[in-house]
Amino acid sequence: DAEITQSPRHKITETGRQVTLACHQTWNHNNMFWYRQDLGHGLRLIHYSYGVQDTNKGEVSDGYSVSRSNTEDLPLTLESAASSQTSVYFCASRYAVAAGDTQYFGPGTRLTVL
Amino acid sequence: AQTVTQSQPEMSVQEAETVTLSCTYDTSESDYYLFWYKQPPSRQMILVIRQEAYKQQNATENRFSVNFQKAAKSFSLKISDSQLGDAAMYFCAYRVGGSEKLVFGKGTKLTVNP
Repeated sequence: DAEITQSPRHKITETGRQVTLACHQTWNHNNMFWYRQDLGHGLRLIHYSYGVQDTNKGEVSDGYSVSRSNTEDLPLTLESAASSQTSVYFCASRYAVAAGDTQYFGPGTRLTVL
Repeated sequence: AQTVTQSQPEMSVQEAETVTLSCTYDTSESDYYLFWYKQPPSRQMILVIRQEAYKQQNATENRFSVNFQKAAKSFSLKISDSQLGDAAMYFCAYRVGGSEKLVFGKGTKLTVNP
């Protein structure tokens, strides 16, 4: 079955280190997204991509970057991790054929920045 | 700015009973989509149901149904014959047609008592 996976599922890192979170989907969806989830805030959009070589900033993009070199993957990079980036990160994808198509989410990555 | 409000941080229901979760949203758009997502302890975000704003008929998916009141900007979720497996966080979400940005509410934690 087609699916969306994230790795690692848990990560502990130190302030100032570069961290990359992987997201891989096998649905051949053209649109992919990264969200972070924090208590009291729900989910907030970090970055999104409409296709290969396309990336766009979301609501909370500072300190994060993404690149899209193929359809299946959208890695999220924290260039210099900060304690404020401790969160649960969700990747999602959508096949934008019809305007109402739904986003499907990966299982999440819990990141702790010490 | 579009906002989604879930006024009930926590709800509880007896097994086999019915519960309704509230959601209101603020928008000036006419073309939009509404969603309910379930997040169990596994943290996976699972789509429960979606509603297109142009459709007057309320969406239904098995035991889950919505009461969509467009003029009141209300989108409540009714869970009938509640089961222990329904216990989770439930998030209401909104998306403007043509936009990729999903706006989430802060969630309602549902407890199902045996």
